[in-house]
Amino acid sequence: QKEVEQNSGPLSVPEGAIASLNCTYSDRGSQSFFWYRQYSGKSPELIMFIYSNGDKEDGRFTAQLNKASQYVSLLIRDSQPSDSATYLCAVDSNYQLIWGAGTKLIIKP
Amino acid sequence: DTGVSQDPRHKITKRGQNVTFRCDPISEHNRLYWYRQTLGQGPEFLTYFQNEAQLEKSRLLSDRFSAERPKGSFSTLEIQRTEQGDSAMYLCASTPGGYGYTFGSGTRLTVV
Repeated sequence: QKEVEQNSGPLSVPEGAIASLNCTYSDRGSQSFFWYRQYSGKSPELIMFIYSNGDKEDGRFTAQLNKASQYVSLLIRDSQPSDSATYLCAVDSNYQLIWGAGTKLIIKP
Repeated sequence: DTGVSQDPRHKITKRGQNVTFRCDPISEHNRLYWYRQTLGQGPEFLTYFQNEAQLEKSRLLSDRFSAERPKGSFSTLEIQRTEQGDSAMYLCASTPGGYGYTFGSGTRLTVV
């Protein structure tokens, strides 16, 4: 059974601080890793993807991948109240995405 | 509008009725996926199409669920003899392959 694990939270972070979200996966053959943001009642929205070990930065977001440890993380710098949402980690496996249950992030003003 | 379009946005149906949802993917995307999501969970894979071919269907999916993608364009998902456990958000996504999926707004199904 291929799995993606995330801490469900909620993770509470003060405005302006760094939010750190973590994800582990079981399929060592996975090659592509995605972070989606989902606001309540809305569909998931892609914010980052990463294929190679190391860091990938896009604006305030940094994705980190460690394939040896089967670990993916997402850092959000200068957190804003509008970043409050559920963050879903997804891992590509045999032409479909395997999803974590998501981490609820709350940014406190 | 170049995004993924789903219709209807909301559907309330009585138990035992049939329902059909439609998804119009981004035109140049050849892969189309259907997912189901319940509160507090990540999306659950239902089925996917490469062009008009249905290549995979979840083993968790009962025979009451069927999907089509005629001519490799829009897709429909039909649920026959709906049950209360079918209440969920049904999400459609498309991708050109390998670069993450673009989701539609979803269809929220409530079975009463």
